[in-house]
Amino acid sequence: DQQVKQNSPSLSVQEGRISILNCDYTNSMFDYFLWYKKYPAEGPTFLISISSIKDKNEDGRFTVFLNKSAKHLSLHIVPSQPGDSAVYFCAASAFGVNTDKLIFGTGTRLQVFP
Amino acid sequence: GAVVSQHPSWVICKSGTSVKIECRSLDFQATTMFWYRQFPKQSLMLMATSNEGSKATYEQGVEKDKFLINHASLTLSTLTVTSAHPEDSSFYICSARTGAIYEQYFGPGTRLTVT
Repeated sequence: DQQVKQNSPSLSVQEGRISILNCDYTNSMFDYFLWYKKYPAEGPTFLISISSIKDKNEDGRFTVFLNKSAKHLSLHIVPSQPGDSAVYFCAASAFGVNTDKLIFGTGTRLQVFP
Repeated sequence: GAVVSQHPSWVICKSGTSVKIECRSLDFQATTMFWYRQFPKQSLMLMATSNEGSKATYEQGVEKDKFLINHASLTLSTLTVTSAHPEDSSFYICSARTGAIYEQYFGPGTRLTVT
């Protein structure tokens, strides 16, 4: 049972445009969400996170939006750059319930072309 | 910044043999280390959580006698795949956590191929 889903396996965006990566979850106990970026043959690196008490968190070109009622979050990258090309994973955690565990989505491969 | 290393980065072994993968936090002490497994085009699946000096906690469906985890110190955890089979071929990633959940740093991964 996939509790965290990224339904788009790939996304292609032109440089300078906005990239929007989506993530859906099923467990209403999740209260902290993270986005990771991963290059081939490397481990994931932390990008940005959001707590369930917020609906938006911004860090430079990266903004994460959370819609708790829809159990949906999205990562916006603007403007997109070729160096953003990587696989992006969303992850979720539930405080107080297995607090150390991150549940990952299946990833979305983003390609930013010139 | 926080760096986690894994060794080896790539290993090929024959069926029936055992292989050990090391995970080290190079510049910090990790309260907890995690082991993940990733199949091609799939998610990172948590295999087990380990704390220094105590037994690892395995996720449901993960054979603890097959995937032996030893967390010898605050900077070193090892995963031993015993009696490896071709279906154990995968990409294994460790991570180390220093505090808050977003303070979890991942190693570069180890690709295991069992022939």
